[in-house]
Amino acid sequence: QVQLVQSGAEVKKPGASVKVSCKASGYTFTSYYMHWVRQAPGQGLEWMGIINPSGGSTSYAQKFQGRVTMTRDTSTSTVYMELSSLRSEDTAVYYCARPSISGWYGGSDYWGQGTLVTVSS
Amino acid sequence: DIQMTQSPSAMSASVGDRVTITCRASQGISNYLAWFQQKPGKVPKRLIYASSSLQSGVPSRFSGSGSGTEFTLTISSLQPEDFATYYCLQHNSYPHTFGQGTKLEIK
Repeated sequence: QVQLVQSGAEVKKPGASVKVSCKASGYTFTSYYMHWVRQAPGQGLEWMGIINPSGGSTSYAQKFQGRVTMTRDTSTSTVYMELSSLRSEDTAVYYCARPSISGWYGGSDYWGQGTLVTVSS
Repeated sequence: DIQMTQSPSAMSASVGDRVTITCRASQGISNYLAWFQQKPGKVPKRLIYASSSLQSGVPSRFSGSGSGTEFTLTISSLQPEDFATYYCLQHNSYPHTFGQGTKLEIK
């Protein structure tokens, strides 16, 4: 069965960086794009970007350009999302999400359990 | 970037009511629109894809419609388990964008 298991909660100081991992299993890792979505406390969902695990190509939301880096390790079927220059507004639950081969256009999607990142001095 | 304007942002309704939520895109997105339901502390659950196709396992009281710039999610007869927050997502182009959400509360 498809599983996405994310790394544990993090507490970071303003200005620091955080790297969240998402380990995939139960499917061919390189065949499906992976998205990252975040949700600040009491707020809505925010799409951050996408990575193609096959070649490593990425596309990021403009809001995060220059601060976010998404990478993958095909040997461990893991994708990573690193966010730098953290500020308090980055306090949120970060999710990895894997839609179907046709993206959100059909099939099933799978989500990690979420990783809470708290930015506080 | 394509902006998704969702309305209302919150609403209260009773069990058995018919409810409609709207999403408007700032430019045409064909039918590249999905609807998600999220309950507190849970991951989002996709209800509708391709604007009007029901995700497997989702009750038939949920339906979606629209194309281009205007989309609706309808719940034909609210059940207690439907009280949640609903989001639309456009995936016509990058960056994908969510609507701001509609919190559906019990009246």
